[in-house]
Amino acid sequence: ATQLTQSPSSLSASVGDRVTITCRASQGIRSALAWYQQKPGKAPRLLIYDVSNLETGVPSRFSGSGTGTDFTLTISSLQPEDFGTYYCQQFNNYLEGFTFGPGTKVDIK
Amino acid sequence: EVQLVQSGAEVKRPGESLKISCEASGFTFTTYWIGWVRQMPGKGLDWVGIIYPGDSDAKYSPSFEGQVTISADKSINTAYLQLNSLRASDTAIYYCARRGYSSTKNFYLYGMDVWGQGTMVTVSS
Repeated sequence: ATQLTQSPSSLSASVGDRVTITCRASQGIRSALAWYQQKPGKAPRLLIYDVSNLETGVPSRFSGSGTGTDFTLTISSLQPEDFGTYYCQQFNNYLEGFTFGPGTKVDIK
Repeated sequence: EVQLVQSGAEVKRPGESLKISCEASGFTFTTYWIGWVRQMPGKGLDWVGIIYPGDSDAKYSPSFEGQVTISADKSINTAYLQLNSLRASDTAIYYCARRGYSSTKNFYLYGMDVWGQGTMVTVSS
């Protein structure tokens, strides 16, 4: 089964900083990757689908890139409302399940 | 408005069964995949499985195969997650979510674009 790892597991950054989160797959997953933001007590929110496509309504400071096994979520200029936990999810194979990464917790300094 | 509305919080005893519902509105229920995700207290997201209500084709994560049943009733636009022989370790929030679809590309997206509000399940003796 395809496993996902994320790094870092947590980070603390200042408003205006550029933040990068990495997601690595245990095998190639083409472009079958999404990114989500989850705030405490809330359901996850889709940010990026198909590796690099911005979901409607998501601010343009969020972007995604990568291919194969290595993927990146970038926040170009961190805002106070960007705190939360960020998850990647792969959609490589229905029978293996669409697994999530372990998450990256983002705090605002 | 496109939305998924889940049934309310549940408290169950070990060994009991439970069926959580997820009612869809604002879109054609039978043409989207509806997935289920578990989140244990203070933990990350676990993929449970997914169903296509149009023909009730369901696919399960190997970790949950045999432990849960996913079904759908297209006459009332509702998907279900049934949990059998509940244990304390089933205590979690369960979310339903819709897999996105591009009508221009005629392609299911790699992303779950609409989420239910979550159903908290507590299993305790």
